Amino acid sequence: SQTIHQWPATLVQPVGSPLSLECTVEGTSNPNLYWYRQAAGRGLQLLFYSVGIGQISSEVPQNLSASRPQDRQFILSSKKLLLSDSGFYLCAWSTGTGRNEGLFFGSGTQLSVL
Amino acid sequence: DQQVKQNSPSLSVQEGRISILNCDYTNSMFDYFLWYKKYPAEGPTFLISISSIKDKNEDGRFTVFLNKSAKHLSLHIVPSQPGDSAVYFCAAFSGYALNFGKGTSLLVTP
Repeated sequence: SQTIHQWPATLVQPVGSPLSLECTVEGTSNPNLYWYRQAAGRGLQLLFYSVGIGQISSEVPQNLSASRPQDRQFILSSKKLLLSDSGFYLCAWSTGTGRNEGLFFGSGTQLSVL
Repeated sequence: DQQVKQNSPSLSVQEGRISILNCDYTNSMFDYFLWYKKYPAEGPTFLISISSIKDKNEDGRFTVFLNKSAKHLSLHIVPSQPGDSAVYFCAAFSGYALNFGKGTSLLVTP
């Protein structure tokens, strides 16, 4: 069966520090991969998605970047965190177009930038 | 620019009654709509979906209705149970991107 791993579960970082969140998927090949963020009091905002190794689409210009160095690995990064980067970050995957089953989400990372 | 809108931030329903969660969208290119359920500090879990070529899809206690002309969909939960208490997100696909609303917090009281 397919599983998605996302870590760490919680993270507290000072403003200006770098960020690296990692997500891996097991049990499937060539998944579509996604990074979402839920800021306090807001909905789920799509940040990046990837349909293949090295292919990254950015939905919202901001202080973050994403990379997909391997088929089932998706990394979210920042060189210098801002206070506004605080939020609940979710990695997700899908097969094909994702229409019938939707996206499968990880358990999320709660990031607090202080 | 919020293309998927859930205008009711919260809803309270008695156990056994019907819960109706509403969602509006603006993008005519959306071709598939989904509902997710989310508990605090967890990832959302998929509930039910509907293609834009259909107007109704049912799965057990959950039914989703789509009105394309009004750009409106709704999720009906019958009968509502206390375990249904969670935040419900409406979402819509355009290409590979799944766009979410801000969610409606449902509380089912005994």
